Amino acid sequence: EAGVAQSPRYKIIEKRQSVAFWCNPISGHATLYWYQQILGQGPKLLIQFQNNGVVDDSQLPKDRFSAERLKGVDSTLKIQPAKLEDSAVYLCASSFGLAYSSYNEQFFGPGTRLTVL
Amino acid sequence: AQKITQTQPGMFVQEKEAVTLDCTYDTSDPSYGLFWYKQPSSGEMIFLIYQGSYDQQNATEGRYSLNFQKARKSANLVISASQLGDSAMYFCAMREVTGGFKTIFGAGTRLFVKA
Repeated sequence: EAGVAQSPRYKIIEKRQSVAFWCNPISGHATLYWYQQILGQGPKLLIQFQNNGVVDDSQLPKDRFSAERLKGVDSTLKIQPAKLEDSAVYLCASSFGLAYSSYNEQFFGPGTRLTVL
Repeated sequence: AQKITQTQPGMFVQEKEAVTLDCTYDTSDPSYGLFWYKQPSSGEMIFLIYQGSYDQQNATEGRYSLNFQKARKSANLVISASQLGDSAMYFCAMREVTGGFKTIFGAGTRLFVKA
């Protein structure tokens, strides 16, 4: 079974530029998550989707971040414009179960390491 | 509000010995799930074990067990017979049922296994 795919693996941009990350979840997984992991911290949930609907985006900085999962499969996360504090690893995860459950084993991708100069 | 606390930034353990990684949580939701993940230096998060708030018995998965003390709001991970490959960051996480189903993570504990 193929795992969660993410691209690119690394990205270096200057502040105020735009960047987009792509995630392809495990086939058949209904729920998809985007996390931000700043160096030395635990992952912070940005947004979670169930199929192509948003379950929670309360921690997504909506003035600069956006995410979509149009066909209920792969997803993109965009930052526009980037700030220095956006430097982090962006992790995508997926789970088979529905979002509305306390149990949801999440399978993570390798992440995209973003450096904003 | 949800909160996860891991008070041990780093831990050392001798190979083949057992080690306990601490995790305390705070929630007012009676229904929640607790998770432990491992993050090796490669960066990928690996699911280890799950405990539901209504589960009567402590969860076990191979060498991993979760010491769940509900009244104390603690969910410590016990790794038995440590191996060199266990050296990694370990994160405790919680998912509430009524709290918007967000998963929140603790700050993590870095485990070093000595040969």
